[in-house]
Amino acid sequence: KAGVTQTPRYLIKTRGQQVTLSCSPISGHRSVSWYQQTPGQGLQFLFEYFSETQRNKGNFPGRFSGRQFSNSRSEMNVSTLELGDSALYLCASSLRTGEWPQHFGDGTRLSIL
Amino acid sequence: GQQVMQIPQYQHVQEGEDFTTYCNSSTTLSNIQWYKQRPGGHPVFLIQLVKSGEVKKQKRLTFQFGEAKKNSSLHITATQTTDVGTYFCAGGTGNTGKLIFGQGTTLQVKP
Repeated sequence: KAGVTQTPRYLIKTRGQQVTLSCSPISGHRSVSWYQQTPGQGLQFLFEYFSETQRNKGNFPGRFSGRQFSNSRSEMNVSTLELGDSALYLCASSLRTGEWPQHFGDGTRLSIL
Repeated sequence: GQQVMQIPQYQHVQEGEDFTTYCNSSTTLSNIQWYKQRPGGHPVFLIQLVKSGEVKKQKRLTFQFGEAKKNSSLHITATQTTDVGTYFCAGGTGNTGKLIFGQGTTLQVKP
């Protein structure tokens, strides 16, 4: 069974641009959560989607948004990029919201110049 | 807001020594999970603890969940070089997919 797939693996952007990251969960998993990982702040929860609905949201500004499609694939979007948005963005999937374990993808490494 | 503190931040041990990392939550947790992340990799689920006072073992790893469901520990007996990585605890918050991660403990093992 294929794991969680995140694309792209690496991305370089400049300040002010926007970016869209993609996550394909494990087949059959309907819950997708997104996390930001930085050396200073560690792993921080961004949001969770289940059945195309946002179920939970972390403490990030409105520039961070996401969505989930009917096939459970999810995208997150960051607009007006700032230097501080440089991070590893991880996606995790599980069968249903609140079900464990969460399986993480390899992440997208976003660098802002 | 809800926080999970994890100590120590770093630990260097000689191969064969024991290792322990501790987590403390500012609030009562519904469950706690432990993940391991190798350098350059992604977090990999190790275990979930749900019950107050629960203790679980996986070979040389022993996981505990406190009676008040606010703290947890991971103990590794006789470390090996394959144990190198960062160990994260993550608090579950009810019936949601939201995890509050500790800052992680990075373990280095000298052969």
